Amino acid sequence: GAVVSQHPSRVICKSGTSVKIECRSLDFQATTMFWYRQFPKQSLMLMATSNEGSKATYEQGVEKDKFLINHASLTLSTLTVTSAHPEDSSFYICSASGSTDTQYFGPGTRLTVL
Amino acid sequence: EDQVTQSPEALRLQEGESSSLNCSYTVSGLRGLFWYRQDPGKGPEFLFTLYSAGEEKEKERLKATLTKKESFLHITAPKPEDSATYLCAVQPAGNTGKLIFGQGTTLQVKP
Repeated sequence: GAVVSQHPSRVICKSGTSVKIECRSLDFQATTMFWYRQFPKQSLMLMATSNEGSKATYEQGVEKDKFLINHASLTLSTLTVTSAHPEDSSFYICSASGSTDTQYFGPGTRLTVL
Repeated sequence: EDQVTQSPEALRLQEGESSSLNCSYTVSGLRGLFWYRQDPGKGPEFLFTLYSAGEEKEKERLKATLTKKESFLHITAPKPEDSATYLCAVQPAGNTGKLIFGQGTTLQVKP
């Protein structure tokens, strides 16, 4: 139980394009989903928290117009990186929590912006 | 300020050599403490949740314990497949579910 998927697992795009990453909870209803980014050999940095049907809450320093988050249903959240630039290249990981406090993480998406 | 510190940063063990990883925390009220395992290029895998001082949880060769200021992850007779980065995270009380992560301990178990 408590499986979270992400798609795609890897994406390479050109500078200036937008990229959408999907996060799905496969066997439970996720009332809250979280988006993180992780740089090499560093820990996870929380970008934003989203509750189903509500606007996402962004952490300080995260540009909400650049990282668009939608949590349209209890099993799906999306992160869109708009007008991506090379400095946005990173490992993006989502997590989901349902009836308990435990966050279950997806496998991550490696974004490379050329 | 809520903070989580893990030590050591890296640990090398021989197969079968038991050891412990430390997670020290300062938080204004603890809702829960979480341990995760992360393999390179993958998302963290949930291991344990601890809620109150004195609580212990076990899974195979791993045992997690909690006091009011720190948590330990004990690894008994580790195997090479236990090699990974172990992450500790705390969830402050009255929070929206946000986790504060430590920097992790990278464990390497040699055969």
